[in-house]
Amino acid sequence: DAGITQSPRHKVTETGTPVTLRCHQTENHRYMYWYRQDPGHGLRLIHYSYGVKDTDKGEVSDGYSVSRSKTEDFLLTLESATSSQTSVYFCAISETGQSYEQYFGPGTRLTVT
Amino acid sequence: DAKTTQPNSMESNEEEPVHLPCNHSTISGTDYIHWYRQLPSQGPEYVIHGLTSNVNNRMASLAIAEDRKSSTLILHRATLRDAAVYYCILRANLLIQGAQKLVFGQGTRLTINP
Repeated sequence: DAGITQSPRHKVTETGTPVTLRCHQTENHRYMYWYRQDPGHGLRLIHYSYGVKDTDKGEVSDGYSVSRSKTEDFLLTLESATSSQTSVYFCAISETGQSYEQYFGPGTRLTVT
Repeated sequence: DAKTTQPNSMESNEEEPVHLPCNHSTISGTDYIHWYRQLPSQGPEYVIHGLTSNVNNRMASLAIAEDRKSSTLILHRATLRDAAVYYCILRANLLIQGAQKLVFGQGTRLTINP
């Protein structure tokens, strides 16, 4: 199994508070991704990174920011959490642009009350 | 993004073959066909991929129609551990510096009966 961990695995927070989710990899893969999964929507890409300090937006990036200060860590921040951001968040990694596989972490279940 | 269409659910019996269909009539010539699956309470897991030719690996086989507008994931001998949601995805190069976007649809929920 690819070495990907996510923390925390579960979090409950209140509307308006900042939240940071962490994705950590031990594979030294170049690309890292954040997805959210909601009933009726499948997985949707939030942000991705193509190298240290190199990030860009996905299709549902509003309300989220990311940072990647070193290869192994990709942080997702909700600046001011809203109930619509209640979701399961998955991090994924891939080795190269032509890699056939994205490896997914175990997910973080976030509830915003 | 090109779309895929899959049945919402399928059911099969343990130790029997399972054929999971996927329609992708708007596929472009450079789109790879990927299959992932998601077991309960886990992240998605890569199963197999292909471009034009049929493919086999230790997990499954992928049969691709000659016109590439449909494909079928074949589990040769289903086990209870194969119960999952199976996603058919068209992988397109999308992003900066070659990062790739996977567009997940609703998938097919596969139930395996003992």
